[in-house]
Amino acid sequence: ILNVEQSPQSLHVQEGDSTNFTCSFPSSNFYALHWYRWETAKSPEALFVMTLNGDEKKKGRISATLNTKEGYSYLYIKGSQPEDSATYLCAFYNNAGNMLTFGGGTRLMVKP
Amino acid sequence: ETGVTQTPRHLVMGMTNKKSLKCEQHLGHNAMYWYKQSAKKPLELMFVYSLEERVENNSVPSRFSPECPNSSHLFLHLHTLQPEDSALYLCASSQDGQDSYNEQFFGPGTRLTVL
Repeated sequence: ILNVEQSPQSLHVQEGDSTNFTCSFPSSNFYALHWYRWETAKSPEALFVMTLNGDEKKKGRISATLNTKEGYSYLYIKGSQPEDSATYLCAFYNNAGNMLTFGGGTRLMVKP
Repeated sequence: ETGVTQTPRHLVMGMTNKKSLKCEQHLGHNAMYWYKQSAKKPLELMFVYSLEERVENNSVPSRFSPECPNSSHLFLHLHTLQPEDSALYLCASSQDGQDSYNEQFFGPGTRLTVL
């Protein structure tokens, strides 16, 4: 069983605050690390697929970093907006098979 | 819209009923997945089909029976379910292949309640 942990489980911030959360995963047999954003009543949507140690990816105000040697990834949101409220999922893809292992998610709520 | 549709969106069934969940993807992908999301638990992979062949069965009880008649359609047949099977069932698709990294495209899910 692969252990993918996300912290914190939930987070309340004010509009305009910057925030970040963590995904930790096994450091062996790494192949890829995915981040998904899941808004209530919608489908999860991919934000980033990260494959190389030291990768940094950015999409608008959201960015992510990857450290495969120590087994963690950070997701950053700069200047949070109410529309950023969602659950953010990370998923670890190892090089042994076809399956993603998901973390439990971080639920972000941004207050106007 | 992600290009993956699921029907029905909500389903209530008794423990003796037989029902099926349907998923269709319009993305030309070659792999499809069933996931289960229970309250307070991470997304759990149930089944993976790649090129219409089942390649992963994650120790799922036999009361769940998947079917993949072609690369665009995936079914989950339900029979004699238990109340603890109540959950959100998500379908996803991806393009499986070398260097694809399997980015998942999810449907909206079916919210299943077993009485």
